[in-house]
Amino acid sequence: DAGVIQSPRHEVTEMGQEVTLRCKPISGHNSLFWYRQTMMRGLELLIYFNNNVPIDDSGMPEDRFSAKMPNASFSTLKIQPSEPRDSAVYFCASTAGDRGWNEQFFGPGTRLTVL
Amino acid sequence: AQSVTQPDIHITVSEGASLELRCNYSYGATPYLFWYVQSPGQGLQLLLKYFSGDTLVQGIKGFEAEFKRSQSSFNLRKPSVHWSDAAEYFCAVGANAGNNRKLIWGLGTSLAVNP
Repeated sequence: DAGVIQSPRHEVTEMGQEVTLRCKPISGHNSLFWYRQTMMRGLELLIYFNNNVPIDDSGMPEDRFSAKMPNASFSTLKIQPSEPRDSAVYFCASTAGDRGWNEQFFGPGTRLTVL
Repeated sequence: AQSVTQPDIHITVSEGASLELRCNYSYGATPYLFWYVQSPGQGLQLLLKYFSGDTLVQGIKGFEAEFKRSQSSFNLRKPSVHWSDAAEYFCAVGANAGNNRKLIWGLGTSLAVNP
């Protein structure tokens, strides 16, 4: 299995630009998580999908952030407009079953830098 | 509300020495507890988990953890540390609120290993 795939691995953009991060979960997994990791705040859950439906988006910082999961094999996290404080590593993780506390398999992350 | 505390931000040990990383949680019911490891530049990987039963659980890479309900702790241990164990270690508790199944994460402990 290829594991969780994220693209791009690195993204550098200027403030105000739109950023789209992509994730392909492990085949057969039906829960998907988007996390943000910074030195100051550690690992934060942004949003959690189960069977393509958003279950908990309470961690989404503000309206500039949006996430979609149009099908079981693809999800996007969009930031529009981006700001320097959005600079972080963004992880996608997937898990099998309805319970988020099954083992979560993490992708390699996307390092976002907003200038 | 559920929470996880990792009191040690950074720990340095010598190769071959024993290791204990502390984790304390706050949760009203029987917790689902996890330890994940993050090697530099990579996503997180599950080391071990506790759901029920034997309070001493074995994980990968020679790690173990002990659940102590009276102390609300789930400390991670390894009898002899290897240089390759240098990484960031995260403790997490599985939250169970309705249909929401998500992990509550500690801020992590960074482990350095001296030769």
